[in-house]
Amino acid sequence: DQQVKQNSPSLSVQEGRISILNCDYTNSMFDYFLWYKKYPAEGPTFLISISSIKDKNEDGRFTVFLNKSAKHLSLHIVPSQPGDSAVYFCAAIETNAGKSTFGDGTTLTVKP
Amino acid sequence: GAGVSQTPSNKVTEKGKYVELRCDPISGHTALYWYRQSLGQGPEFLIYFQGTGAADDSGLPNDRFFAVRPEGSVSTLKIQRTERGDSAVYLCASSLGLAYNNEQFFGPGTRLTVL
Repeated sequence: DQQVKQNSPSLSVQEGRISILNCDYTNSMFDYFLWYKKYPAEGPTFLISISSIKDKNEDGRFTVFLNKSAKHLSLHIVPSQPGDSAVYFCAAIETNAGKSTFGDGTTLTVKP
Repeated sequence: GAGVSQTPSNKVTEKGKYVELRCDPISGHTALYWYRQSLGQGPEFLIYFQGTGAADDSGLPNDRFFAVRPEGSVSTLKIQRTERGDSAVYLCASSLGLAYNNEQFFGPGTRLTVL
């Protein structure tokens, strides 16, 4: 039973346009959410996070939105750049438990 | 400053053999995590340490898997009697502490192939 799901394995976007990556979760105890970016042959790197007490967090071109009632979060990248091409993982934490649960990732391709 | 390093980068072994995977965390990071990433999937939590002690080992799939961190720095993940299903990339991460909002820094992983 997968508790964090990224239903789109891949996404292709034109440079300069918006990329929207989606993530759904089932465990209502999750209260902290993160997005990671991963290039081939490297480990994931932290991108942005959001606490369940917020519904939006923004950092430069990256914005994460959280809809707790729908158990859904999304990552918006605008404008998208070719260097953003990577695998993006959504992760969730139940802060009392501490461990992270990851989705299976979405491969983003930004075309020049 | 060095990031998290993992050795070896690749390990090929035969079914039934014993393997050790090493993780060198960022200096000063007290928390250390091990994950396993199978092809096409996200990282799957195995175990994490705060200092020398395993704070949560609930992700270890069975008793063939064991991890140690004897001096609170380097950690070794040990897999006995390897099976083909153990083939995956094993990722290590470290952070300043166990608080949920402490950023985890990941190493490049060890790709384990069990023939």
